[in-house]
Amino acid sequence: DIQMTQSPSSLSAAVGDSVTITCRASQSISGYLSWYQQKPGKAPKVLIHTASSLYSGVPGRFSGSGSGTDFTLTISSMQPEDFATYFCQQSYSTPLTFGGGTRVEI
Amino acid sequence: QMQLQESGPGLVKPSETLSLTCTVSGGSINNAYWSWLRQAPGKGLECIGYIYSGGDTNYNPSLASRITISIDTSKSHFSLRLSSVTAADTAVYYCAKYDSTGFFPYWGQGTLVSVNS
Repeated sequence: DIQMTQSPSSLSAAVGDSVTITCRASQSISGYLSWYQQKPGKAPKVLIHTASSLYSGVPGRFSGSGSGTDFTLTISSMQPEDFATYFCQQSYSTPLTFGGGTRVEI
Repeated sequence: QMQLQESGPGLVKPSETLSLTCTVSGGSINNAYWSWLRQAPGKGLECIGYIYSGGDTNYNPSLASRITISIDTSKSHFSLRLSSVTAADTAVYYCAKYDSTGFFPYWGQGTLVSVNS
């Protein structure tokens, strides 16, 4: 299985801050990476797919980059509704696997 | 807007079989991939497996000996059966549509299944 490692596991930020979350794959996954946001008690919502493609309806302050083994999710200016947990997910090979999550709190 | 809704018992006894159904509405279940995922309390996400509308399946090897995913396109639903459950199978179970480009665009709200005698 491909292991996905996110860092940091948690971080504190303020409204207006720029936040960067990193995801590293245990082997190259080309650009087969997606990012999700999850709020307590809710299902995850996709933000980014194929490493850098913004999903329909997602605000432009979210962006993704990377290829191979190293990827980043950047939130350019944190908004109150962005405080949540973020997960990466690879689709290069099955089983599809997720990172452990990054909790972004105030 | 496509919607998915999980249904099934919220409590299953150890060694018994967990059965869940996901009903798809607001779009066609045909020509698409459909998936089951789970999230143990306070933990990350695990993909259990997925099924194509034509019936082909792909299971997580860690669970493959215990799971069956099936689909009934006439009823616009797909199902999960997980046998011989233990406390380790306690989790929120999600159904989701799996896009062929590799991500999950639509999710059910999730259903908590507890394994307890």
